[in-house]
Amino acid sequence: NAGVTQTPKFQVLKTGQSMTLQCAQDMNHNSMYWYRQDPGMGLRLIYYSASEGTTDKGEVPNGYNVSRLNKREFSLRLESAAPSQTSVYFCASRSSSSGNTIYFGEGSWLTVV
Amino acid sequence: AQSVTQLGSHVSVSEGALVLLRCNYSSSVPPYLFWYVQYPNQGLQLLLKYTSAATLVKGINGFEAEFKKSETSFHLTKPSAHMSDAAEYFCAVSDAGGTSYGKLTFGQGTILTVHP
Repeated sequence: NAGVTQTPKFQVLKTGQSMTLQCAQDMNHNSMYWYRQDPGMGLRLIYYSASEGTTDKGEVPNGYNVSRLNKREFSLRLESAAPSQTSVYFCASRSSSSGNTIYFGEGSWLTVV
Repeated sequence: AQSVTQLGSHVSVSEGALVLLRCNYSSSVPPYLFWYVQYPNQGLQLLLKYTSAATLVKGINGFEAEFKKSETSFHLTKPSAHMSDAAEYFCAVSDAGGTSYGKLTFGQGTILTVHP
């Protein structure tokens, strides 16, 4: 039962470096999401993909890009990392056949120094 | 637009006591409502969800929540707290109509501490 798999789990970046967070789901879900979690702020939506081939901005998209590579994979890219992007990132996917339940990955801890 | 307010960023109870975590929502369309739990350094796990069927929803680990439209509330309760319930809990809302593609709007979270 892999579910939603994210890599890497931990990463330290220097300001200005770039990196890509990878996400894959094996549940044949159409919709996928990237959230960031910061203390006292809950989770905020960065980008989402309603279906393969489409992506849209969420609440906090600045500084990020995404790619819906295929139905399984949805990656998040930081082109020039900033300390404000230090956060925990969660990928998720949605089952439209189960009351819109969203399933989350284990999270990726990113520190930008 | 939708929003969620969780009243109390920290709640502390004794083992065996009632757990009550408060959630109020705002939505211009019929909502779906969710409670998720997050244990330290882990992802979010679905506790329960309201999707316009029964207003009293039972979830895992003995938790339940009641949807009250008149009060725009979806409070989470458990009759008797266990030490293993210590975690952070998130209330979330999405659009039942599907036009928002299932995007969730989260509350800020409530950290539950359980004392022996």
